[in-house]
Amino acid sequence: GAVVSQHPSWVICKSGTSVKIECRSLDFQATTMFWYRQFPKQSLMLMATSNEGSKATYEQGVEKDKFLINHASLTLSTLTVTSAHPEDSSFYICSAGTSGRDTQYFGPGTRLTVL
Amino acid sequence: EDQVTQSPEALRLQEGESSSLNCSYTVSGLRGLFWYRQDPGKGPEFLFTLYSAGEEKEKERLKATLTKKESFLHITAPKPEDSATYLCAVPPRGSTLGRLYFGRGTQLTVWP
Repeated sequence: GAVVSQHPSWVICKSGTSVKIECRSLDFQATTMFWYRQFPKQSLMLMATSNEGSKATYEQGVEKDKFLINHASLTLSTLTVTSAHPEDSSFYICSAGTSGRDTQYFGPGTRLTVL
Repeated sequence: EDQVTQSPEALRLQEGESSSLNCSYTVSGLRGLFWYRQDPGKGPEFLFTLYSAGEEKEKERLKATLTKKESFLHITAPKPEDSATYLCAVPPRGSTLGRLYFGRGTQLTVWP
């Protein structure tokens, strides 16, 4: 149990375009989903926390207008990187948790490369 | 400032050579310490959650322990398939449930 999927697993786009990444909890209802970014040889950095049906809470330094997060249902959250630039190239990972349980379960990640 | 520090950064072991990874934290009022395993190009895989000093949890060749200042991940008789980066994480003080601070990880390589 506790399986989280992400789509796509990798994406290459041109500078200035927008990219949407989906995160789904497959076998449980995720009241909270989290989006992380990981640069090579670095640890995971939390970008934002989203609760189903409400606005996401962004970490300090993360541009909310650039990284749009929607948590429309208890099994789906999306991250849209708007007007992507090469410096946005990174490994984006989502995780999901359930109210009352501390453990987060992570998706397999999405490798974004902006040319 | 809340902080999570893992050591060593990298560890190379021969198959069967037991060792320990360290995770020290400065968060007061700890509300759980989490261990994850991450393979290259993949998301972290949950291993353990520890909540109180003295607590221990085991899974196959791994055993995690917790004190008031640090946690250890003991690897007994490791195999090459245990090669991965091991991450520990703690919730920052006063945060809403779910936010986690991650350490930089220990990259473990087990060679035959």
